[in-house]
Amino acid sequence: EAGVAQSPRYKIIEKRQSVAFWCNPISGHATLYWYQQILGQGPKLLIQFQNNGVVDDSQLPKDRFSAERLKGVDSTLKIQPAKLEDSAVYLCASSRLQGRSTGELFFGEGSRLTVL
Amino acid sequence: GENVEQHPSTLSVQEGDSAVIKCTYSDSASNYFPWYKQELGKGPQLIIDIRSNVGEKKDQRIAVTLNKTAKHFSLHITETQPEDSAVYFCAARPQIYNFNKFYFGSGTKLNVKP
Repeated sequence: EAGVAQSPRYKIIEKRQSVAFWCNPISGHATLYWYQQILGQGPKLLIQFQNNGVVDDSQLPKDRFSAERLKGVDSTLKIQPAKLEDSAVYLCASSRLQGRSTGELFFGEGSRLTVL
Repeated sequence: GENVEQHPSTLSVQEGDSAVIKCTYSDSASNYFPWYKQELGKGPQLIIDIRSNVGEKKDQRIAVTLNKTAKHFSLHITETQPEDSAVYFCAARPQIYNFNKFYFGSGTKLNVKP
């Protein structure tokens, strides 16, 4: 089974520029998450999709961050304009629906963003 | 919302010794508690989990204990090996029908010295 794919792995931009990250979840996983992981901290949920609908975006800074999941599969996370404090690793994860599954999260390797 | 606290933030042990990482949670509705291991440059990977109807679970050198009354759970690694060196995260998931929302601790960096 192929894992969660993310790209790019690394990105360096200047503040006020824009950046986009892409995620392809595990096939058949209905739920997709974007987490922000600042150095030395645990992952913090930015947005959660179930199929192509948003379940939770309460922690997403909507003035600069946006995300979409077209056709309930791939997802993109965009930051525009970027700030210095956006420097972090952006992790995408996916899981099956609850019910009989454990709801285990499967993470991608992350996209490391450096804002100068 | 749920708040998960994790201690210690760093832990250094000698190869062969045991390591214990502790987490507390605040939401009594949390019913699922996974532990993730994150190696350098990689995403977190599930190593063991426990549900709220179980007090302890073991998988070879790794065990997790849960005290629902005190709202804390712990990861125990015995006979540590250098390849156990990584950052470990605990997480808690409140019972929300059909939605999977996880709250993570701040992580413990485990260093196993050969």
